[in-house]
Amino acid sequence: GAVVSQHPSWVICKSGTSVKIECRSLDFQATTMFWYRQFPKQSLMLMATSNEGSKATYEQGVEKDKFLINHASLTLSTLTVTSAHPEDSSFYICSAPRRPTSGRTYNEQFFGPGTRLTVL
Amino acid sequence: DQQVKQNSPSLSVQEGRISILNCDYTNSMFDYFLWYKKYPAEGPTFLISISSIKDKNEDGRFTVFLNKSAKHLSLHIVPSQPGDSAVYFCAARRGSGGYQKVTFGTGTKLQVIP
Repeated sequence: GAVVSQHPSWVICKSGTSVKIECRSLDFQATTMFWYRQFPKQSLMLMATSNEGSKATYEQGVEKDKFLINHASLTLSTLTVTSAHPEDSSFYICSAPRRPTSGRTYNEQFFGPGTRLTVL
Repeated sequence: DQQVKQNSPSLSVQEGRISILNCDYTNSMFDYFLWYKKYPAEGPTFLISISSIKDKNEDGRFTVFLNKSAKHLSLHIVPSQPGDSAVYFCAARRGSGGYQKVTFGTGTKLQVIP
């Protein structure tokens, strides 16, 4: 199946620093990628939709100046958490939908393994 | 507003028996429903989906049932195996392609006891 990778898998940083998380689709092109955040014992919450070559679309309540998204190529989207604070500590997951393969009508989303961010 | 709800945070089932995971939703605009399996420190893995125009979809040991009038779906795993132990997320989708939005439930942790 399709593979989506994320880097780094975990990161610890000091409060006030910025952290960049990469999401790559390894064997297919993705004009769109999605960024989710998951707090402990909660569901995955969609933060933003990353669009190749254009601005990202942010969900209500997500600060676009704090969570900078860049989708510079068809296989790479980056999420930068700027001036991170302890409340930004979370599990960040990206996903990319791929066009249906034969026999399927649903363009399945493939998820990356996630990035655990801890802000001290 | 939690549009997709999984009211059981955990479930324990004996190996070989049936596992039934339940999910309720509130938004009538969802057109696809999905189940994902997630291991700790990994991203979710797609399991099975069902279109809103169907009431059942089967794939091997996994069957998803949809009751639109009740806004309820369930995932049946028969027979359950220890390797099925994971957190299962119910999800619902609106839109398609780059305009799709997937809303996840809070998950049910399934433990299959050997």
